Amino acid sequence: GQQLNQSPQSMFIQEGEDVSMNCTSSSIFNTWLWYKQEPGEGPVLLIALYKAGELTSNGRLTAQFGITRKDSFLNISASIPSDVGIYFCAGPTSGTYKYIFGTGTRLKVLA
Amino acid sequence: NAGVTQTPKFRVLKTGQSMTLLCAQDMNHEYMYWYRQDPGMGLRLIHYSVGEGTTAKGEVPDGYNVSRLKKQNFLLGLESAAPSQTSVYFCASRRRLAGSLGSSYEQYFGPGTRLTVT
Repeated sequence: GQQLNQSPQSMFIQEGEDVSMNCTSSSIFNTWLWYKQEPGEGPVLLIALYKAGELTSNGRLTAQFGITRKDSFLNISASIPSDVGIYFCAGPTSGTYKYIFGTGTRLKVLA
Repeated sequence: NAGVTQTPKFRVLKTGQSMTLLCAQDMNHEYMYWYRQDPGMGLRLIHYSVGEGTTAKGEVPDGYNVSRLKKQNFLLGLESAAPSQTSVYFCASRRRLAGSLGSSYEQYFGPGTRLTVT
């Protein structure tokens, strides 16, 4: 099925480093959602974006809704070991009740 | 406020057996969804419901049935389990869009059910 493209697919970083990841689509989105999934758990909603250009923070996480409405970015500052997990972007498809999910960025933080 | 809960958390079935997965949400959400998550495949929509008494097929509905008899519950059934249905199943919910409230699009997930079919 249709998916959003996320990059990078995986990242290994040192504790304290900043992290950036992005999500791109061939179609326009009106809402972008960013989730984190830890092993054995369900995805947890981190940030929701509703307007092109919007920049929203949640603690050390900051996400941006791209101006073209075809992309979104997530940054994590000063990473810590508990940031480990898979980060997904998602968006509702226009005119339907369904969602498209990104392929995920797997983050590992080395202490 | 427990959010979205799923039972059971783990299950092992033999090929041909049947089972029902239960999803419950206490957020008074109208929309509910069942997904499966497989390595390298991401989240795929099985069935969804836009309100009590309604269901609709998603991307991968074959081999599954659903029912939404009560607003807070969404059941996923496997009538005759197959090894290809070995997966992690997630339920999610969201509230119906009201006016221009963007937060209506926020979808919340349960903790998942890990199913193995041997």
